[in-house]
Amino acid sequence: SSELTQDPAVSVALGQTVRITCQGDSLRNSYASWYQQRPGQAPFLVIYGKNKRPSGIPDRFSGSTSGNTASLTITGAQAADEADYYCHSRDSSGNHIFGGGTELTVL
Amino acid sequence: QVQLRESGPGLVKPSGTLSLTCAVSGGSIRTNNYWSWVRQPPGKGLEWIGEIFHSGRTTYNPSLKSRVAISLDKSSNQFSLNVTSVTAADTAVYFCARAPQEQVVDYFDFWGRGTLVTVSS
Repeated sequence: SSELTQDPAVSVALGQTVRITCQGDSLRNSYASWYQQRPGQAPFLVIYGKNKRPSGIPDRFSGSTSGNTASLTITGAQAADEADYYCHSRDSSGNHIFGGGTELTVL
Repeated sequence: QVQLRESGPGLVKPSGTLSLTCAVSGGSIRTNNYWSWVRQPPGKGLEWIGEIFHSGRTTYNPSLKSRVAISLDKSSNQFSLNVTSVTAADTAVYFCARAPQEQVVDYFDFWGRGTLVTVSS
């Protein structure tokens, strides 16, 4: 399969930990990358590779992979983390693919 | 710091051709990076359209391949997107983005702000 599957919506209490997951066969052979997108803005990269964070991304964001499932974990969620999150990788044909996105609500 | 900026008409008529350009600043388009177009219909998720490498090699989303062309203009440090025979389903915010050439992991490290293209008569 060349799809990435995400839960449509997840919620977390302020200051708690939340895990957003992404499933797909392509993740068995390559790492996922993760993007945060706030309304009306472009996506921006928060995690890539084996748990790498671009400069400026807080260390409360972390990534992991097990089998065909990649996870983005936010430890100590803040109100500013409320956004849509997308996972991404390439499929076996070399095409970029995105998950359907997860809407994160911080309560 | 690399910056990307999309430009082009915000309104295209049905059956017409959508044409956008992405200007790259703060870095050369000739480097070992893939230059992509990604779109997002209103209220929906991200869809990759296609990419071009600095060598000119292109790869397209199979679902759009028959209607899409991406080209490079190295002298102007920009790349372009053409989508032919557009319909209302092509209405979306179009982003350009850069993906470094790396093994095992793919990621888009720089994105343009996006430009809304509406297909309507």
